[in-house]
Amino acid sequence: AQRVTQPEKLLSVFKGAPVELKCNYSYSGSPELFWYVQYSRQRLQLLLRHISRESIKGFTADLNKGETSFHLKKPFAQEEDSAMYYCALSNTGGFKTIFGAGTRLFVKA
Amino acid sequence: NAGVTQTPKFQVLKTGQSMTLQCAQDMNHEYMSWYRQDPGMGLRLIHYSVGAGITDQGEVPNGYNVSRSTTEDFPLRLLSAAPSQTSVYFCASSSVGQGSNEQFFGPGTRLTVL
Repeated sequence: AQRVTQPEKLLSVFKGAPVELKCNYSYSGSPELFWYVQYSRQRLQLLLRHISRESIKGFTADLNKGETSFHLKKPFAQEEDSAMYYCALSNTGGFKTIFGAGTRLFVKA
Repeated sequence: NAGVTQTPKFQVLKTGQSMTLQCAQDMNHEYMSWYRQDPGMGLRLIHYSVGAGITDQGEVPNGYNVSRSTTEDFPLRLLSAAPSQTSVYFCASSSVGQGSNEQFFGPGTRLTVL
C-alpha cells in the first residue's frame, strides 16, 4: 500500500539556520516523489519532484531508496519559506497521488 | 487559462442535506482528483479519475460520489452530509505519464456541516 509519513507537524527555525523536513514513504513499486508547498492564502503548488533533481528556491531533496526517504533540505532558511509543506507520492504513470500529513515550517526573524 | 476552478468557495449544510461541489479545468488534463484537507491529517484522496468515464476510489471514499462525463469537469457529490465531512475540499488535475504528473490545485471549497 502507498503511505507517506511526515513525522514533524511543526518545525520552527531561525532565519539563516539550516532546515530539513523529513519524509518517509512506503511503496512496493517505483514511486514518483514530490514536495508541494502551501503559502498563506495561496493554492497548493509543486515545489520540486525527485525525477527532475532540481533545486527550487534553494530547496533540494534526494530520493534514498534504501531508507525510503525523500527529505527536503535548505542550507539557510528565509522568513518567506514559512509555509505548509507536503510530501507526496504517486505510482508509476502518475495516478493516485497520496500526500503526507504535512509539516508547518515557521522561520523566525 | 483559468486553470482549476472550484465552486462554491464556502458552503454550510445541515446534516442529511446533499450537495455537489463543482470542479473544472481547462488544461485538457486526463487525471483529476478530489482531496479533503483536515488539521493534522494532511490531504486525503477521496476519488480520482484517469479520463472521461473512468473513476476510482481513493483513501476515504465513503459518503462521496463522483462521475466524469467530460474531460473538463469532475463534480463531487455528498449524498447525505454528516458533521464528519466538515473540511476543506481541493480538486486537482494533471496530465499522466511518468515524469509529467505535476498536480495543479483549485482554490478549495470550505464546507461546514452542522
